[in-house]
Amino acid sequence: DGGITQSPKYLFRKEGQNVTLSCEQNLNHDAMYWYRQDPGQGLRLIYYSQIVNDFQKGDIAEGYSVSREKKESFPLTVTSAQKNPTAFYLCASSPPRATEAFFGQGTRLTVV
Amino acid sequence: GESVGLHLPTLSVQEGDNSIINCAYSNSASDYFIWYKQESGKGPQFIIDIRSNMDKRQGQRVTVLLNKTVKHLSLQIAATQPGDSAVYFCAENLSGSARQLTFGSGTQLTVLP
Repeated sequence: DGGITQSPKYLFRKEGQNVTLSCEQNLNHDAMYWYRQDPGQGLRLIYYSQIVNDFQKGDIAEGYSVSREKKESFPLTVTSAQKNPTAFYLCASSPPRATEAFFGQGTRLTVV
Repeated sequence: GESVGLHLPTLSVQEGDNSIINCAYSNSASDYFIWYKQESGKGPQFIIDIRSNMDKRQGQRVTVLLNKTVKHLSLQIAATQPGDSAVYFCAENLSGSARQLTFGSGTQLTVLP
């Protein structure tokens, strides 16, 4: 079945460590996105990519990095520079000229 | 900056009743509005969208109403079922491209037996 797969579902990180969240899609969508969701708040855009080998910062990119080496994959690295990394992270994708995004099931990251 | 907000953070309805979830937006330039449903621990699911040149759009058991005069959006769910329990949030799209989506914080809908 087509869809967006995020892994792992739960992730624990020690302070000072980098961690990478995986996002894979087989929908043949050009655009991919990473959002952060905190309790009681709307989704906030971290990074997005409109095409392979190109990506742009969103509203809260500090402390995060991404790569887009393949159309299907858009991994997000949460670096030690991110001061409050504990959150629910959502990956999404969209076809060209789409007005909505299609989401994966999310990764819950907890710093211990 | 512009933002999308919701009137009520929680809503409880009896099973079988109709539900109405509201959303206020502040950017009159927004061109598309989208409702998402998010179940606990899962990613958001697209429910329905509406373009700014429309006042009403209907789907299966759901209707979205757009009042541009007062910048208000609502989602109506008919004959609410237990499976409808989730967080519902609206999003506005400024440019017709998904990268310009701005999301509200959501309303928790609880369906009572």
